[in-house]
Amino acid sequence: AQTVTQSQPEMSVQEAETVTLSCTYDTSESDYYLFWYKQPPSRQMILVIRQEAYKQQNATENRFSVNFQKAAKSFSLKISDSQLGDAAMYFCAYKGYGGSQGNLIFGKGTKLSVKP
Amino acid sequence: DGGITQSPKYLFRKEGQNVTLSCEQNLNHDAMYWYRQDPGQGLRLIYYSQIVNDFQKGDIAEGYSVSREKKESFPLTVTSAQKNPTAFYLCASSSGIFLGEQYFGPGTRLTVT
Repeated sequence: AQTVTQSQPEMSVQEAETVTLSCTYDTSESDYYLFWYKQPPSRQMILVIRQEAYKQQNATENRFSVNFQKAAKSFSLKISDSQLGDAAMYFCAYKGYGGSQGNLIFGKGTKLSVKP
Repeated sequence: DGGITQSPKYLFRKEGQNVTLSCEQNLNHDAMYWYRQDPGQGLRLIYYSQIVNDFQKGDIAEGYSVSREKKESFPLTVTSAQKNPTAFYLCASSSGIFLGEQYFGPGTRLTVT
């Protein structure tokens, strides 16, 4: 079974600085998706960024980028120029291409605080 | 605006009562999902549906039931058989179960006393 591990329960960053959130996963599949979701205090889950495993190029969305290391099964999220609005829970999630469920498998999350 | 709506945002019930949580989407998505979130935990899959009139159990389906009579709607019933129903419930949808990202509704916080 696939698992997702986020080893940092809490992180803190100064406004305008850069922070990296870690995520590792375990799978025997060769094709899959990886995602980072943000959950602010409103508790709405918001998609931040996605990565297809077959793509070697790391995904980037504005201030958010990932470092995808397929062999190491690592998928970290880098937030540049952190803003107060980035404060939230961040969840790493895995989704296989095949399988019967097609659901997302989530890590337990990292709570990010942004200091002014 | 396209999106997913869940109602109500907060729901209170007495123990022993069944309760139904609403989920509606106007994204024309085929697949819909229900997740449960507990404090300090990620999301866990309760039920999912690939198409109308079809649904499958997820990892924690015991004590829950669903229906999918319309493409837009996927209500979740929390029955009295669910031992620990107090939780935050999130509905999601995607174009298909084998296609990428899922989009989430705002969630319903259920409290059972």
